[in-house]
Amino acid sequence: SQQGEEDPQALSIQEGENATMNCSYKTSINNLQWYRQNSGRGLVHLILIRSNEREKHSGRLRVTLDTSKKSSSLLITASRAADTASYFCATPYSGTYKYIFGTGTRLKVLA
Amino acid sequence: DVKVTQSSRYLVKRTGEKVFLECVQDMDHENMFWYRQDPGLGLRLIYFSYDVKMKEKGDIPEGYSVSREKKERFSLILESASTNQTSMYLCASSPGQGGTYNEQFFGPGTRLTVL
Repeated sequence: SQQGEEDPQALSIQEGENATMNCSYKTSINNLQWYRQNSGRGLVHLILIRSNEREKHSGRLRVTLDTSKKSSSLLITASRAADTASYFCATPYSGTYKYIFGTGTRLKVLA
Repeated sequence: DVKVTQSSRYLVKRTGEKVFLECVQDMDHENMFWYRQDPGLGLRLIYFSYDVKMKEKGDIPEGYSVSREKKERFSLILESASTNQTSMYLCASSPGQGGTYNEQFFGPGTRLTVL
């Protein structure tokens, strides 16, 4: 399968704590994106990290990318109950517009 | 605001029925996608279209076909629905310019149950 593997599959933390989720692929990574999905809804784009970048920040989000290890991580700092959602990584197949999504991490932030 | 709409949020069909799932985007995007989402498997690409009347198979096209007669509309067709096609179906679109730096914009999804 070409799917990206994400871990953990599920994560439960207290409000105010940091949440880290990881994503790895068997194929090479290009321009990796992270998406968020609230329960039963479509996905919403969070952040893009380009293949020549190692780290990127956006608000409370911090993304790292290691192309040699074909992996990425998403850190959400000072989590809030509203961050409760599933998070997916996605990278395009080389040279195409088709994306390989990860299997997702379900995050639950307890108030 | 980019908007991607899907014709139904919930759909219940019987085995053997022909099922049409419609997706419309209002941002003049060249690329449109159909995914299915199953627990533990993430999103898997069924079909992709990069222009009107153009389509490419994704990872799991078996049992599905697509139609793109107009730029804004991308339809997914289940020729003869089966119970293993019970799933959440997500449509997405993205601009053609800018290549793979572009985010995909998703519709709200259609939860299809085949009995």
